[in-house]
Amino acid sequence: DQQVKQNSPSLSVQEGRISILNCDYTNSMFDYFLWYKKYPAEGPTFLISISSIKDKNEDGRFTVFLNKSAKHLSLHIVPSQPGDSAVYFCAASSNSGNTPLVFGKGTRLSVIA
Amino acid sequence: EPEVTQTPSHQVTQMGQEVILRCVPISNHLYFYWYRQILGQKVEFLVSFYNNEISEKSEIFDDQFSVERPDGSNFTLKIRSTKLEDSAMYFCASSEFRTGVTGYTFGSGTRLTVV
Repeated sequence: DQQVKQNSPSLSVQEGRISILNCDYTNSMFDYFLWYKKYPAEGPTFLISISSIKDKNEDGRFTVFLNKSAKHLSLHIVPSQPGDSAVYFCAASSNSGNTPLVFGKGTRLSVIA
Repeated sequence: EPEVTQTPSHQVTQMGQEVILRCVPISNHLYFYWYRQILGQKVEFLVSFYNNEISEKSEIFDDQFSVERPDGSNFTLKIRSTKLEDSAMYFCASSEFRTGVTGYTFGSGTRLTVV
C-alpha cells in the first residue's frame, strides 16, 4: 500500500539544466508535503515543504509545486549542480502535519557536469 | 549545527539475537522517531515517542520491538529476537515540535545485518 509514490527510480540531468522530480499520493488527508535529500552513508536531510493551502513554495534554486486535484507534487531544481546528485524522497503528513511522515521510495538524481 | 547521533553505524547479528540501536537526539527536541529502510525500498515509519511514551506506531512495530529513553539523552530501539527480514538501515529522527512541517532531523543511520 504505497500512499506516496515516486515512480521514477532515477533521473539524469546535465549541469545547469532543470531537474524535475515527481511524486504522487493517494491519501486525500495529506496536508503537508516535504522533500528530503539523502547522500550515501548519511540520513535524509530536510529540503523544502509545502502546505496544502499553497500550490507553490520556493527556496533559492528549489521550488515545490502542488496540484491537489491531481494529487501530485513536483520538485524543481534550477540550475542543477553536481552537488545536487543524491536520492530525493517525497514525504507527506496529515492532520496539519501532525502525523508521522510517510515516505516514497526515492528518486536518484545524477547531475552530470 | 546540532545533529542526531546514531551508534553503531553498522551492526551484524545472528538471527534470534537481541540488538539495541542507540540514538542521541538533538537536546532541545521533544519528539523522537525510528524509521527503517530495507534496501531499495521506501523509508518506513516504525514508531514515534513523546513524553516518555509511544505516541504512534506502525504495524511493523510488533512485540519484537521496543523503544526506551533510559537517561534523558539516549533513545534506543531494541529488537528482541532478530529475523533475517529485519536487515535494514534504521534511522533515528527528532523534532522540536510535533508537527513535521519544518522537517525532522535524521541521524546517519545504523545498518543492521541479520545473518
